Amino acid sequence: QVQVVQSAAEVREPGSSVKVSCETSGATSNGYTINWVRQAPGQGLEWMGRVVPTLGVSTYAQTFQGRLTLGADKSTNTAYMELASLTSDDTGVYFCARVGPILPPYYSYMAVWGKGTTVTVSS
Amino acid sequence: QSALNQPRSVSGSPGQSVTISCGGSSGGFGGFRYVSWYQQNAGQAPRLLIYDVDKRPSGVPNRFSGSESGIMASLTISDLQTDDEGEYYCCSFGPNFTLVFGGGTSLSVL
Repeated sequence: QVQVVQSAAEVREPGSSVKVSCETSGATSNGYTINWVRQAPGQGLEWMGRVVPTLGVSTYAQTFQGRLTLGADKSTNTAYMELASLTSDDTGVYFCARVGPILPPYYSYMAVWGKGTTVTVSS
Repeated sequence: QSALNQPRSVSGSPGQSVTISCGGSSGGFGGFRYVSWYQQNAGQAPRLLIYDVDKRPSGVPNRFSGSESGIMASLTISDLQTDDEGEYYCCSFGPNFTLVFGGGTSLSVL
């Protein structure tokens, strides 16, 4: 059974960075894609980017280009999301979500979601 | 990348059907041929309902169905139940195989 477990909540000051992890298990041998999605308080879902660990490829939403870094450690099946230059607008819940396919257009959806990591940016 | 267009809210009575639309130009590969739909209840993670327009993952009831035509996709929920209340999001490709969500639709079962 595929599972996704995210790291605990974080509190950061404006201008700093945050790193959130996402460990997956189950059916990992054929590869997978990890997407990252943000949800600001009371707002909708916002796609941030994806990483395909077996290919070492990351794709970023234009909104986050330049301050978002997505990576993964294949040996531990753990993906990472690091967001820099934080402002109060970055406060929200950050979800990772896994899908089996690793190539477009087949990785178009998000099948298994983590519970989310709350990031609070406050001085 | 602008969000896809969804109605802010829809409602229906138990046993009825509702349809949620998802439109606008995603600017992405295949138009809406790779649209997916998610249900989110308050305080919870989203749940995949439909992918690739009309495919249901295991465990999703066949009361949920999807379709697309050109520049619009739709999610239909038949035989509405009170448990169906929540927020619904569509998602499709944007430029360069990025993904873009719709703004979300709140479903009330009256």
